[in-house]
Amino acid sequence: AQKVTQAQTEISVVEKEDVTLDCVYETRDTTYYLFWYKQPPSGELVFLIRRNSFDEQNEISGRYSWNFQKSTSSFNFTITASQVVDSAVYFCALSGNNAGNMLTFGGGTRLMVKP
Amino acid sequence: GAVVSQHPSRVICKSGTSVKIECRSLDFQATTMFWYRQFPKQSLMLMATSNEGSKATYEQGVEKDKFLINHASLTLSTLTVTSAHPEDSSFYICSARDLGQGIYGYTFGSGTRLTVV
Repeated sequence: AQKVTQAQTEISVVEKEDVTLDCVYETRDTTYYLFWYKQPPSGELVFLIRRNSFDEQNEISGRYSWNFQKSTSSFNFTITASQVVDSAVYFCALSGNNAGNMLTFGGGTRLMVKP
Repeated sequence: GAVVSQHPSRVICKSGTSVKIECRSLDFQATTMFWYRQFPKQSLMLMATSNEGSKATYEQGVEKDKFLINHASLTLSTLTVTSAHPEDSSFYICSARDLGQGIYGYTFGSGTRLTVV
């Protein structure tokens, strides 16, 4: 079985603050992928990143960065200099080869960025 | 990039009626599609996985006679909520696997907000 835990249900920050969203996962698979999605109030899921289990390099994309630590089964997401438009629910997800390659989502973290 | 078109985006129906939601892959063939349900302020829960030309596989607790899934072609999957009740009101979202992105390539539709009155 695979499981994704996002311990932070809601985070509130003031614009320009940095914020880190935590994600911890469990899987027995040796090959798996981790994802982050953004869900704005309109509801659609916006793909942010996909990372495979063999690539522990951290990634930076503009104000977004991801820290994959296999040793602690974590895949944390940091937004630097947050903006009001970053307000959304963020989901971490996992897909492993022994789970039929289906996506398992974490509970989500609602981020509110105040002006 | 890969696009999945889902419609309707919103639907309001009377209790006891059926509602069909369509999910189309526009520029790729989707051999596998997934249907999720999301209640307010909750996460996405997988309802079923459908493979083109075969019966859908439902997750535990999901009534297959109530949520009919048809995946008759490589570009179209439909979810029909039969005899809808207010407790079926939810956000339904489909996802198609795009093998062009590898077996871990998922493209999501924009979702359907169902309200049963």
